[in-house]
Amino acid sequence: GAGVSQSPSNKVTEKGKDVELRCDPISGHTALYWYRQSLGQGLEFLIYFQGNSAPDKSGLPSDRFSAERTGGSVSTLTIQRTQQEDSAVYLCASSSNRLNTEAFFGQGTRLTVV
Amino acid sequence: DQQVKQNSPSLSVQEGRISILNCDYTNSMFDYFLWYKKYPAEGPTFLISISSIKDKNEDGRFTVFLNKSAKHLSLHIVPSQPGDSAVYFCAAKRKTSYDKVIFGPGTSLSVIP
Repeated sequence: GAGVSQSPSNKVTEKGKDVELRCDPISGHTALYWYRQSLGQGLEFLIYFQGNSAPDKSGLPSDRFSAERTGGSVSTLTIQRTQQEDSAVYLCASSSNRLNTEAFFGQGTRLTVV
Repeated sequence: DQQVKQNSPSLSVQEGRISILNCDYTNSMFDYFLWYKKYPAEGPTFLISISSIKDKNEDGRFTVFLNKSAKHLSLHIVPSQPGDSAVYFCAAKRKTSYDKVIFGPGTSLSVIP
């Protein structure tokens, strides 16, 4: 596709359930990022992929959070046993192999844990 | 430890005047800086960038200034328009490595007609 696509756009889940968020980056982009934005907060880095490997997972808040990327393309962010504090907008971005290029963001998935 | 700081959470400017958004960073290894704009319910969109080899980059109404010695950059919007009302994020990375982009907390700009 022309841009970064994220699904679902909105997700309401019950506390304790698992959720899976999907990101389709721009075709050919090797770098992929997950960020989240809680209400009234800035962009919090979660994890970064270069190809299929994740050289930086330092932003994952707890072991309930995991992410994978297959085929150097689609990525899924999984949150197990969701808690109310996980409620946020989860944003995915991708960038090309050029080192000094900007990242393009998807529209995000708004997750609400009730 | 916040490596990219935007100390003004919000800013109001009259239409037609200049908007100045400020950003400070602490990591001297950063050498590539970006500004993103975000409207509600949308993802951030890239606005303008600057490499550390420059001290100014201009694109239409938007100009970014970089002061490396002060570890400070600013985004100037002139003239400001109501459609510029959005949250502006400053971001930084190391140009020569495949590092993540670090974002500041954002400044909410309101341009008053």
